[in-house]
Amino acid sequence: AQSVTQLDSQVPVFEEAPVELRCNYSSSVSVYLFWYVQYPNQGLQLLLKYLSGSTLVKGINGFEAEFNKSQTSFHLRKPSVHISDTAEYFCAVSDPGSGSARQLTFGSGTQLTVLP
Amino acid sequence: NAGVTQTPKFQVLKTGQSMTLQCAQDMNHNSMYWYRQDPGMGLRLIYYSASEGTTDKGEVPNGYNVSRLNKREFSLRLESAAPSQTSVYFCASSVQGSSNSPLHFGNGTRLTVT
Repeated sequence: AQSVTQLDSQVPVFEEAPVELRCNYSSSVSVYLFWYVQYPNQGLQLLLKYLSGSTLVKGINGFEAEFNKSQTSFHLRKPSVHISDTAEYFCAVSDPGSGSARQLTFGSGTQLTVLP
Repeated sequence: NAGVTQTPKFQVLKTGQSMTLQCAQDMNHNSMYWYRQDPGMGLRLIYYSASEGTTDKGEVPNGYNVSRLNKREFSLRLESAAPSQTSVYFCASSVQGSSNSPLHFGNGTRLTVT
């Protein structure tokens, strides 16, 4: 079974500073990778996904992530954060071979807090 | 667009009581899911419905039952609530149940069992 490790549970950062949220997964075979964002008292929304092709994936709200197969990582980055980016961010992985979204595995989440 | 709608938003139960969490989606999606979210544990899949008329267990199904009433609606039932079921419950849907289909989530039901 897949596992996902989000290395930082809390990341405080000042407004307009860059941020990187780290995600590592366990499998060395093909994977699909996702980042979701959860704003307070809301459900999760898809931020971006990697299915195949270019290893640099651009998402909504200026976020991007880079798939690194050798490092089994999918770190999320933003060059300049805003107060409105304060939220919890979840990395998730699924197995293309399973053919089923029930195999989607979520990380434990990283709370990003943007400070004024 | 409403997307995925969950009711109720909040609920407090006593141990042993039963209740049903309702979920409806208006995106004509085939697959629907129930997750629970606990602090520091991410989301864990309770039950899953690949299409109307089918349901399947996820990672943590014990103590729960589900009904896929039609293509739009997928309910989660707690027959005899326990304090360990205190959690935030999310319903989600996807166009199809394949491993590359993004999920669309409702806003959650916050359940406390005393």
